[in-house]
Amino acid sequence: TQLLEQSPQFLSIQEGENLTVYCNSSSVFSSLQWYRQEPGEGPVLLVTVVTGGEVKKLKRLTFQFGDARKDSSLHITAAQPGDTGLYLCAGVADMRFGAGTRLTVKP
Amino acid sequence: DVKVTQSSRYLVKRTGEKVFLECVQDMDHENMFWYRQDPGLGLRLIYFSYDVKMKEKGDIPEGYSVSREKKERFSLILESASTNQTSMYLCASSFNWVAGENLAKNIQYFGAGTRLSVL
Repeated sequence: TQLLEQSPQFLSIQEGENLTVYCNSSSVFSSLQWYRQEPGEGPVLLVTVVTGGEVKKLKRLTFQFGDARKDSSLHITAAQPGDTGLYLCAGVADMRFGAGTRLTVKP
Repeated sequence: DVKVTQSSRYLVKRTGEKVFLECVQDMDHENMFWYRQDPGLGLRLIYFSYDVKMKEKGDIPEGYSVSREKKERFSLILESASTNQTSMYLCASSFNWVAGENLAKNIQYFGAGTRLSVL
């Protein structure tokens, strides 16, 4: 069973700050996804990463997949209140999700 | 737009009741999933289905059953609800993605969730 650990569990920052959240696994991912879940809604896919060392950018969000494909990070530049939500990583092959990082961006 | 619709946003039931949670998707997806989401535990897979009348147990199937009589509909059944089944339940659907195929197909689309309270 692949365990996904996300850190930090909670993060509260001011608008304009940068932040990084992490997803780590006990074993190698075949591929990994990041989702964002806003209050009262289901998770929505942000990105899928497949290749070790891969970097993908989505506007102010930068996703990195570790070289060994056992970890991933999400970096947000100049966070905005609209970034508030629960960020979840998931292993594609086994449909397992981490517990998430709950981000609050204060105006 | 893909739409996954869960029949209820909020449900309150009593211990021992039989509970049905319904999910409908309009994208002709082969796969459908039921998760429960609890604080600090993330999403845990209860059951999934890759075709009509087919079902597979996830990580926490105990106390639950499912039904998939039509491709677009996947029901989660709590035979005898208990207080430890109080949770947020999320349904999802996806195409039947095979490793090596276009990853763009491997997206799970989620419903808005049903918050179930068992008293």
